[in-house]
Amino acid sequence: GQQLNQSPQSMFIQEGEDVSMNCTSSSIFNTWLWYKQEPGEGPVLLIALYKAGELTSNGRLTAQFGITRKDSFLNISASIPSDVGIYFCAGQTNTDKLIFGTGTRLQVFP
Amino acid sequence: DADVTQTPRNRITKTGKRIMLECSQTKGHDRMYWYRQDPGLGLRLIYYSFDVKDINKGEISDGYSVSRQAQAKFSLSLESAIPNQTALYFCATSARDRAETQYFGPGTRLLVL
Repeated sequence: GQQLNQSPQSMFIQEGEDVSMNCTSSSIFNTWLWYKQEPGEGPVLLIALYKAGELTSNGRLTAQFGITRKDSFLNISASIPSDVGIYFCAGQTNTDKLIFGTGTRLQVFP
Repeated sequence: DADVTQTPRNRITKTGKRIMLECSQTKGHDRMYWYRQDPGLGLRLIYYSFDVKDINKGEISDGYSVSRQAQAKFSLSLESAIPNQTALYFCATSARDRAETQYFGPGTRLLVL
């Protein structure tokens, strides 16, 4: 089936550093999403992107919908310890299902 | 109280046993989903339901079945559990007009011996 590839698989960074991660697909999506999963919990939606080229921010998080509609990027500025978790991209299909990426695990050290 | 609850939170079972995972929601959403999460593979859709009378297979439905007993309840069954069904299982819900915003339960960690 469809799969979204995320990179990097994991990141170990120091508090205060900026973080970049991306997601690529072999298929086009009309909506791209970024979710975060904290330890012991289910994923929570961070940002939704609805148009190719769109750049959207949510606090220190900024995400972009790639122009080809086959990729998306998430940046976190000035990371803090509570940014720890697994970040998933997801594409919404034309039947309203979500296809999730493989995840990027983020660890932040003080 | 949590909007999406899952029971049990943890379960250990043996190969060949039948088990049921339950999901309840108080968000009033029409749509409900079951996913499994495996390390390095992300979340994969098992089954989904857009309405009480609607049941659809996801990408990995083999070995699983579901029941949508009411708008608020969606249960997942493993008829005869096998070790490679060991995983973290999530239920999620969404509103009909905001399908991209899914609300997840806390997950059920299942170990099949």
